Amino acid sequence: DAGVIQSPRHEVTEMGQEVTLRCKPISGHNSLFWYRQTMMRGLELLIYFNNNVPIDDSGMPEDRFSAKMPNASFSTLKIQPSEPRDSAVYFCASSLRDRGSPLHFGNGTRLTVT
Amino acid sequence: DQQVKQNSPSLSVQEGRISILNCDYTNSMFDYFLWYKKYPAEGPTFLISISSIKDKNEDGRFTVFLNKSAKHLSLHIVPSQPGDSAVYFCAAMGYGGSQGNLIFGKGTKLSVKP
Repeated sequence: DAGVIQSPRHEVTEMGQEVTLRCKPISGHNSLFWYRQTMMRGLELLIYFNNNVPIDDSGMPEDRFSAKMPNASFSTLKIQPSEPRDSAVYFCASSLRDRGSPLHFGNGTRLTVT
Repeated sequence: DQQVKQNSPSLSVQEGRISILNCDYTNSMFDYFLWYKKYPAEGPTFLISISSIKDKNEDGRFTVFLNKSAKHLSLHIVPSQPGDSAVYFCAAMGYGGSQGNLIFGKGTKLSVKP
């Protein structure tokens, strides 16, 4: 299995632009998570889906952030408009819907907003 | 307010010796704990977990100890190898919670010197 695949690996954009991050979870996993990592706050959960349905988006910082999961094999995290404080590494993770099942993380997207 | 704290940002150990990484938590409702390891430019990978009904779990060179009364857990790596050099994250979830309720510490960077 190729694991969780995220694209792009790096994204540099100017303030005000729209940014779309993409994730392909591991086949068969029914839970998907978007995390953000910063030096100040560490790993923060933004939103997670079970069976393609958003369960908890309380970690999404503002209305500028939105996430979708149109099918079991694809999810997007969109920031519109982007701001410099959005600069971080964004991770996608997937797992089986079982509290004993560990998360499998992708290699992340490093976002820089100038 | 951090519910999961890793108070040592970094740790340096000689190859062959024991590495001990510590984690404290404040929420007495946490009942399942995990350790993840992260190499640069990669996502975190699951290492080992422990349920609150146990006080020790061992997997090869890795052992996690849980002290519920002290709200403290530790990860022991014996013997340490240069390939263990990475950032280690402690994570916890509460009774009835799922991976969507996982709370991560900010990590400890372990350096194992040859």
